Amino acid sequence: AQTVTQSQPEMSVQEAETVTLSCTYDTSESDYYLFWYKQPPSRQMILVIRQEAYKQQNATENRFSVNFQKAAKSFSLKISDSQLGDAAMYFCALTGNTPLVFGKGTRLSVIA
Amino acid sequence: DAMVIQNPRYQVTQFGKPVTLSCSQTLNHNVMYWYQQKSSQAPKLLFHYYDKDFNNEADTPDNFQSRRPNTSFCFLDIRSPGLGDAAMYLCATSRDSSRWVADNEQFFGPGTRLTVL
Repeated sequence: AQTVTQSQPEMSVQEAETVTLSCTYDTSESDYYLFWYKQPPSRQMILVIRQEAYKQQNATENRFSVNFQKAAKSFSLKISDSQLGDAAMYFCALTGNTPLVFGKGTRLSVIA
Repeated sequence: DAMVIQNPRYQVTQFGKPVTLSCSQTLNHNVMYWYQQKSSQAPKLLFHYYDKDFNNEADTPDNFQSRRPNTSFCFLDIRSPGLGDAAMYLCATSRDSSRWVADNEQFFGPGTRLTVL
């Protein structure tokens, strides 16, 4: 079975600062994808960033980057220059031979 | 814009009264998913369709059924809603579901919040 663990139920960050959200996972698959999804309050879930497990280079998307440690099965999300619009629930997710498995989420607050 | 649409956004039903939630997509994706998300929890996959092939998750209650009459539409039927079925129901689509292709990104609709009285 595939599992995803997010150990930080809530995080907060000052506007313009950097924050890192943690995620660990477990899978027996050798090929899989990892995702971070953002779910703002009362708004739909959108993909933030994606990492293919076979790629060693960490994915980046503008202010969002990941630290992918395959051996440690760790996949953290770094948000740089945090903005008020980054406040949301963030879900780490994994897909291998099954559809997405989500972690329980981390609620990020951004303080002005 | 290509998108995933869910109607209605809010649905109120009575205990035991059947209810249907709908999802449509203009992305022409092969795969459509239904998730249940309870407050402050992760989305839980109920089932998904790969084209017309239906895939039910092992722990999805029999009370939940789904129909996909064509590529664009997918319905979630709750035959006898209980108080525990009150939740946000999310529809999502992806071009493919295989880990071997890059087209497995899921696009989500805004959700339907179901209240059971």
